[in-house]
Amino acid sequence: GQNIDQPTEMTATEGAIVQINCTYQTSGFNGLFWYQQHAGEAPTFLSYNVLDGLEEKGRFSSFLSRSKGYSYLLLKELQMKDSASYLCAVRDSKAAGNKLTFGGGTRVLVKP
Amino acid sequence: GAVVSQHPSRVICKSGTSVKIECRSLDFQATTMFWYRQFPKQSLMLMATSNEGSKATYEQGVEKDKFLINHASLTLSTLTVTSAHPEDSSFYICSATNRGVYEQYFGPGTRLTVT
Repeated sequence: GQNIDQPTEMTATEGAIVQINCTYQTSGFNGLFWYQQHAGEAPTFLSYNVLDGLEEKGRFSSFLSRSKGYSYLLLKELQMKDSASYLCAVRDSKAAGNKLTFGGGTRVLVKP
Repeated sequence: GAVVSQHPSRVICKSGTSVKIECRSLDFQATTMFWYRQFPKQSLMLMATSNEGSKATYEQGVEKDKFLINHASLTLSTLTVTSAHPEDSSFYICSATNRGVYEQYFGPGTRLTVT
């Protein structure tokens, strides 16, 4: 099985930076995803890491360390619209069909 | 990116009735579709994996006779909640993927309320 942990909630100020950590344990790692989900909506894809290192995409960056079972999502220059839940998901190479296991999600509240 | 639709977006039904939710991949062929359930303030819980032309694989604790999944074509999967009860009220989300594609494309979700 898999165990994915991320903080439940975080609060940050508009214009600031927030880092959301995710730790995981899996029998066969085959990629880690970050999704953004606004209340009542479906998740939208943010990033994908399969190799160690940092992936940067505009204001959002994601980092992966496979040896530590650790990833983080970095949100820079926070905007009010970034208030949402951020979901870390891991794909297990031993699971059929690209199956993902999601963490509990981190609710980020951006304050003015 | 690829587009996945769900229908209906919201449905209210009476306890004991059945509800069918459709998930369609609009611009690509989905060899695999996934069905998730999400309760308020909780994360997505995978219910089942559906491969075109074969029986769905259900996650532990999900009743296959209650949640009927059909994936009859490469663009359509359906989830039927049979004999719905208030505790089945939830947000149901599908996603679709294809061989060689690492990403899952999510539908907009269906809000089911059982009264």
